[in-house]
Amino acid sequence: EAGVTQFPSHSVIEKGQTVTLRCDPISGHDNLYWYRRVMGKEIKFLLHFVKESKQDESGMPNNRFLAERTGGTYSTLKVQPAELEDSGVYFCASSQAGSPSTQYFGPGTRLLVL
Amino acid sequence: AQRVTQPEKLLSVFKGAPVELKCNYSYSGSPELFWYVQYSRQRLQLLLRHISRESIKGFTADLNKGETSFHLKKPFAQEEDSAMYYCALLLIQGAQKLVFGQGTRLTINP
Repeated sequence: EAGVTQFPSHSVIEKGQTVTLRCDPISGHDNLYWYRRVMGKEIKFLLHFVKESKQDESGMPNNRFLAERTGGTYSTLKVQPAELEDSGVYFCASSQAGSPSTQYFGPGTRLLVL
Repeated sequence: AQRVTQPEKLLSVFKGAPVELKCNYSYSGSPELFWYVQYSRQRLQLLLRHISRESIKGFTADLNKGETSFHLKKPFAQEEDSAMYYCALLLIQGAQKLVFGQGTRLTINP
């Protein structure tokens, strides 16, 4: 069974540019989560989708971040415009419906904003 | 507020020695706690959860509600245990999200 995949694995952009991260959850998983770890800090929750609906986006830092999950399959996280403090590792995780405690993580996308 | 604290950023022990990674939490509800591990060049993966009360790779963790702790222990460390370890608390009231500690980098010296 293929695990959660994320693309790209690394991204280096300049401040003010736009970056879009993609996450493909495990097939059949209704729940999709985005987390991020900025340098020296803990991994923090960004938002949670149930199918195509945003269940909780309380962790989104500001309106420069936009997440979508059209069709309830893969998800994208766009940062526009990127700022220096957005640098970090962005993780995606997915879980089956009714099983929030078993979250499977992707390898993460390392974002560096210069 | 919900919080997970891992007081040690770095922990180094010798192979064969016992290891304990500390985790304390703050949560008003009934906690569901986990340990995640990230080996070098691998993804974050679940190591164990308190409700399972199981031992994985020789590791155990007991939930102590009185001390609000969920320390991870292994009696005899092995070199392959070197990794980053994260303690996490699952919030299911309203949100279904994991709250992570800062992580402890464990190094097992030969």
